[in-house]
Amino acid sequence: NAGVTQTPKFRVLKTGQSMTLLCAQDMNHEYMYWYRQDPGMGLRLIHYSVGEGTTAKGEVPDGYNVSRLKKQNFLLGLESAAPSQTSVYFCASSQGLAVYNEQFFGPGTRLTVL
Amino acid sequence: AQTVTQSQPEMSVQEAETVTLSCTYDTSENNYYLFWYKQPPSRQMILVIRQEAYKQQNATENRFSVNFQKAAKSFSLKISDSQLGDTAMYFCAFRPQTSGSRLTFGEGTQLTVNP
Repeated sequence: NAGVTQTPKFRVLKTGQSMTLLCAQDMNHEYMYWYRQDPGMGLRLIHYSVGEGTTAKGEVPDGYNVSRLKKQNFLLGLESAAPSQTSVYFCASSQGLAVYNEQFFGPGTRLTVL
Repeated sequence: AQTVTQSQPEMSVQEAETVTLSCTYDTSENNYYLFWYKQPPSRQMILVIRQEAYKQQNATENRFSVNFQKAAKSFSLKISDSQLGDTAMYFCAFRPQTSGSRLTFGEGTQLTVNP
C-alpha cells in the first residue's frame, strides 16, 4: 500500500493563478482532510470530508474549495492564489472517529505564491 | 472552541537521557482524545502515542509515555533513552469524541537530540 500520496510535492504560483492539489489514499478510508502548516504554528484544518460526495469547512476554509467525487481522492483547489496561501499543505485520511482510527498523513506539498 | 498550547518552542537533550515535552489544552468537552505526533525533517507526520480522556491510566509506547492530568488539562510526553532519530518537531493534538473528526494542533516543540 502506498498509504496517502499527494501531487505535486512542490509548486510555485503567481498571485491570481489557480491550481488543484490532489490527495489519494488506498486504504479505503471514509474520512479525508486537508491541513495547512505555517511556520511557528501547528497544522490547521482547511476542509474535510466524511465520505464520498461530502465536504465540510474546517478552521481556515476561506480561499479554498474541495471536492470528493471518488472515495479515494480528495482535491483542494485555489481559485485565485494569494501570497497568504504560501504554506505546506498536508492531506490525511482515517477510517472513522474512534481513537484507534488514527489519521494517516501524506508527505505534504510546499506551495509558494509570489 | 478548543485550544492546545505548547509553551516550549525548542528543547534539547543528550543522547540516552530523558526529556519531557509539555502540552496544555482548554476545552469544555468531557470526552476527547489526545495525541502526540512527530514530524522529522522529512515532514512526514507520524503518530507517536494516543490517550483517551476517560482512561486514568497513562498511555505508554516503548520509550514514549505520557503524563495525563485531566483536571489540570495537561498532557506531557516523556521520551526515555533519547535517540538521535528522535530529533523532530513534536505536536500535541486534541480531538473531541463527539464533535466530528477535527484535530486541533499545538504550535509544536522542536526537539534536538545531541550525541
